[in-house]
Amino acid sequence: KAGVTQTPRYLIKTRGQQVTLSCSPISGHRSVSWYQQTPGQGLQFLFEYFSETQRNKGNFPGRFSGRQFSNSRSEMNVSTLELGDSALYLCASSLYMDRDNEKLFFGSGTQLSVL
Amino acid sequence: QKEVEQDPGPLSVPEGAIVSLNCTYSNSAFQYFMWYRQYSRKGPELLMYTYSSGNKEDGRFTAQVDKSSKYISLFIRDSQPSDSATYLCAPPYVGNLIFGKGTKLSVKP
Repeated sequence: KAGVTQTPRYLIKTRGQQVTLSCSPISGHRSVSWYQQTPGQGLQFLFEYFSETQRNKGNFPGRFSGRQFSNSRSEMNVSTLELGDSALYLCASSLYMDRDNEKLFFGSGTQLSVL
Repeated sequence: QKEVEQDPGPLSVPEGAIVSLNCTYSNSAFQYFMWYRQYSRKGPELLMYTYSSGNKEDGRFTAQVDKSSKYISLFIRDSQPSDSATYLCAPPYVGNLIFGKGTKLSVKP
């Protein structure tokens, strides 16, 4: 079974630009979550989608948005990039994400550098 | 104060040593406690999880929870160079994981 696939693996953008990151979950998984990882803040929750609906959202500005398609694939978008948005963006999938002990499977992430 | 705190390390030990990785938390509502392992340039992977106080063993790994003191530990016996990674504790809460910043472990051959 293929794991969680994130594309692209690396991305370099300049301030003010926008970026779209893609995530393909494990086949059969319907929940997709996004996390931002930085050396200073660690892993922080961005949002979670289930059946094309955002169910849960972290404490990030509106410049961060996402969506999920009917095949459970997900994209996240960051508009008007700032230097502080440089981070590893991780996508995780799970079956339903409706139990606290449900296992999340992470992709290898997209490393975004904002210059 | 962050909800989950971990000593960032780095922690360097010789092969075969017993490793103790620790985590403290502030939210009494946390029920489960996950330990994730993250290798360099990879996403985290679930190592094990525990519920309630007490110990849980899985091979060379033992997870321990003390809810009265809000203290979580992960012990690694007979540590191997392949255990070199960052270890993150992450209690789930309201549909997402609250991650500590992780402890970087290096096991020297």
